[in-house]
Amino acid sequence: DTEVTQTPKHLVMGMTNKKSLKCEQHMGHRAMYWYKQKAKKPPELMFVYSYEKLSINESVPSRFSPECPNSSLLNLHLHALQPEDSALYLCASSHPGRGPEAFFGQGTRLTVV
Amino acid sequence: DAKTTQPPSMDCAEGRAANLPCNHSTISGNEYVYWYRQIHSQGPQYIIHGLKNNETNEMASLIITEDRKSSTLILPHATLRDTAVYYCIVRVVGNQFYFGTGTSLTVIP
Repeated sequence: DTEVTQTPKHLVMGMTNKKSLKCEQHMGHRAMYWYKQKAKKPPELMFVYSYEKLSINESVPSRFSPECPNSSLLNLHLHALQPEDSALYLCASSHPGRGPEAFFGQGTRLTVV
Repeated sequence: DAKTTQPPSMDCAEGRAANLPCNHSTISGNEYVYWYRQIHSQGPQYIIHGLKNNETNEMASLIITEDRKSSTLILPHATLRDTAVYYCIVRVVGNQFYFGTGTSLTVIP
């Protein structure tokens, strides 16, 4: 199983809403990532979790709050977002002992209205 | 991790080989070259990676120059489904993946 599953696939939320994105993998990977991708741009790294601990935060605004409750699951909690936060949010996972590549999910298309 | 430079766009005729170049002149000895592709609005897909030897798998071949300052991804018989953005990434194993601007490949019928 080389799959990273992201839910939901699409999300529309208002600027006062609170929502969460979910990412799951069962490959035994211990590094998990969140990326943000705007249209016609490359993915930009947001957060990295290593062994369930946050290891990298690329100066992401606090309205994005990541959580890694266990080794298979990664969440991204969203609160008070702005329209410019509309993007494709990608999750990925990797683990050196299980191959050097990272596997990506299909993303959540987020629209903030 | 070292930076990469790729042409912004390329065309390739269907059935011909697509050769996508990548420059990584500041690569260090323990950095691998990875290639990913992203078909419109999908998640990036791993293609191949290598350290210094040429590599081949069922999807593509990776040719790395002897000085490791550049590489070429080869899709031997391009199909319309290979139309995508191709990213070359240089990375130390265990570090995170940073994407450059990539090459938008269009396969023409």
